[in-house]
Amino acid sequence: AQSVTQLDSQVPVFEEAPVELRCNYSSSVSVYLFWYVQYPNQGLQLLLKYLSGSTLVESINGFEAEFNKSQTSFHLRKPSVHISDTAEYFCAVSDRRADSSASKIIFGSGTRLSIRP
Amino acid sequence: NAGVMQNPRHLVRRRGQEARLRCSPMKGHSHVYWYRQLPEEGLKFMVYLQKENIIDESGMPKERFSAEFPKEGPSILRIQQVVRGDSAAYFCASSLAARKGEQFFGPGTRLTVL
Repeated sequence: AQSVTQLDSQVPVFEEAPVELRCNYSSSVSVYLFWYVQYPNQGLQLLLKYLSGSTLVESINGFEAEFNKSQTSFHLRKPSVHISDTAEYFCAVSDRRADSSASKIIFGSGTRLSIRP
Repeated sequence: NAGVMQNPRHLVRRRGQEARLRCSPMKGHSHVYWYRQLPEEGLKFMVYLQKENIIDESGMPKERFSAEFPKEGPSILRIQQVVRGDSAAYFCASSLAARKGEQFFGPGTRLTVL
């Protein structure tokens, strides 16, 4: 079974400051890793994903996350945040199946990122 | 290509009534997932369906909840005799089997039980 831990329930930062949202996971099998973002009163949007290959993955709006297998972590970072980044961020995992079929996603409890001007 | 569609977006029910939540997956997707998000919590997996089959219902409450994904039409999540604790946002996601692990989420249905 997999589990995801997001240690910080809330992270307040000033605009243009860097931010890191922490995520650790546990799993007995290899996993895919995801970060989803949920803006107020909206559904989830995929921000970035790690499937294979390079351990550093990037999103189109400046976020990046690095898969660290030894530390079982997938922390999300952005060097300079904007007011529009205010949202809740969910780290998630799903197991890799040999037949490549999709399987359920296990979500962390979320981190609320609030940006102060 | 339209995304995952869910309706209604908001649903209000009184205790004891039935709630029906509908989900139309993305075109070409044959895998559907339902998740529940309780207030101030993350999403919790409920059930995974393919056309006409329930693949994994390990997250479904044992009573009052059921799901289906018929050959034609949307997937339905049905909650009978709703209670206040059922108030939550219910999200549907769909995937294409060949797309490794990637699920696309709908906007959700927010159920309020009075």
